[in-house]
Amino acid sequence: GESVGLHLPTLSVQEGDNSIINCAYSNSASDYFIWYKQESGKGPQFIIDIRSNMDKRQGQRVTVLLNKTVKHLSLQIAATQPGDSAVYFCAQTGAGSYQLTFGKGTKLSVIP
Amino acid sequence: NAGVTQTPKFQVLKTGQSMTLQCAQDMNHNSMYWYRQDPGMGLRLIYYSASEGTTDKGEVPNGYNVSRLNKREFSLRLESAAPSQTSVYFCASSRDPLTDTQYFGPGTRLTVL
Repeated sequence: GESVGLHLPTLSVQEGDNSIINCAYSNSASDYFIWYKQESGKGPQFIIDIRSNMDKRQGQRVTVLLNKTVKHLSLQIAATQPGDSAVYFCAQTGAGSYQLTFGKGTKLSVIP
Repeated sequence: NAGVTQTPKFQVLKTGQSMTLQCAQDMNHNSMYWYRQDPGMGLRLIYYSASEGTTDKGEVPNGYNVSRLNKREFSLRLESAAPSQTSVYFCASSRDPLTDTQYFGPGTRLTVL
């Protein structure tokens, strides 16, 4: 079946440093990938997405990289700030599927 | 715009009781979803409604029913609550079902004793 997993369950970074959160996925037919941020007690918040016909997409302070050869997705956060502390989830849709499959999440802690 | 709203925010039930979780969105989205999130885990899809008038099972539908009341509202019902249904429930919506961003509500924290 489909699975989306994360290499690192926790990540601690110094304020101002760059953060990289990784995600492995198993469904090579997926065509849409998303990163969500979830703060304590809140619902997931969309950060950035990428289609399978791209390998890189940039937003404000965030970049998502997609390597379809090794089925790997990463989220890069530049100049990490205390407000970036949260759990980050990657998710993907299966080809032709309405369902998002979520990874278990990585907790990012920013050290002031 | 309020986005996606959910009621109630918290609920405690006894085993066997029933209840309905309400969800509404004001973004004119076609598709709506119900997820549950258990500690240390990602979200799992319970049911979804790709468009008004349709509903389909997700990954973990057992013990739940849904109703797409209109384009704005999508409710989740627990007919006979069980302790295994203790979880945080999130509603989400998206413009289209297949390849469009889902926007989430704030969640309902449900405890079944």
